[in-house]
Amino acid sequence: AQSVTQLDSQVPVFEEAPVELRCNYSSSVSVYLFWYVQYPNQGLQLLLKYLSGSTLVESINGFEAEFNKSQTSFHLRKPSVHISDTAEYFCAVRSFQGAQKLVFGQGTRLTINP
Amino acid sequence: KAGVTQTPRYLIKTRGQQVTLSCSPISGHRSVSWYQQTPGQGLQFLFEYFSETQRNKGNFPGRFSGRQFSNSRSEMNVSTLELGDSALYLCASSMTGYGYTFGSGTRLTVV
Repeated sequence: AQSVTQLDSQVPVFEEAPVELRCNYSSSVSVYLFWYVQYPNQGLQLLLKYLSGSTLVESINGFEAEFNKSQTSFHLRKPSVHISDTAEYFCAVRSFQGAQKLVFGQGTRLTINP
Repeated sequence: KAGVTQTPRYLIKTRGQQVTLSCSPISGHRSVSWYQQTPGQGLQFLFEYFSETQRNKGNFPGRFSGRQFSNSRSEMNVSTLELGDSALYLCASSMTGYGYTFGSGTRLTVV
């Protein structure tokens, strides 16, 4: 079985400041890793994913995440945030084999202050 | 191309009633998964269908059921509704299992 821990339930930052949202996972098998974003009253949007290859993955809107196998982490970073980044962010894993289901962390609410 | 469509967006039901939610996946996607999102429990996997067959099931009571049709559209049904079933129900479709596209969800309120 897999589990995901998002270490911060809320992260307030000022506009244009850097941010890191932390995600650690536990699994006895290899996993794929995902970050999703949820804006108010909406579903989940895929931000980025790690399937294989380079451990650093980037999204089109400036976010990046690095897969660290030894620390079982997949932290999300952005060097300069905007008001529009205010949302809830979810880290998720899916095992290579077995049930094709996503296991989510509890989410981190990112609030950007002007 | 059109995204994942969930209907209705909002529902209010009374305890003891039953409800059916609908999900139309992206064209060509044969896998449809359902998740329940609540403030207390977060996002939890309900079940996954592929080519009309339930492949995986989460840890939910038998009151929660689903099905998938030959055109990949899926429905989930909750019978004998309880107050704790109030949640946002999200549907996700996938072609390969490596990327999941979610719909906007159906917000169910049980009173």
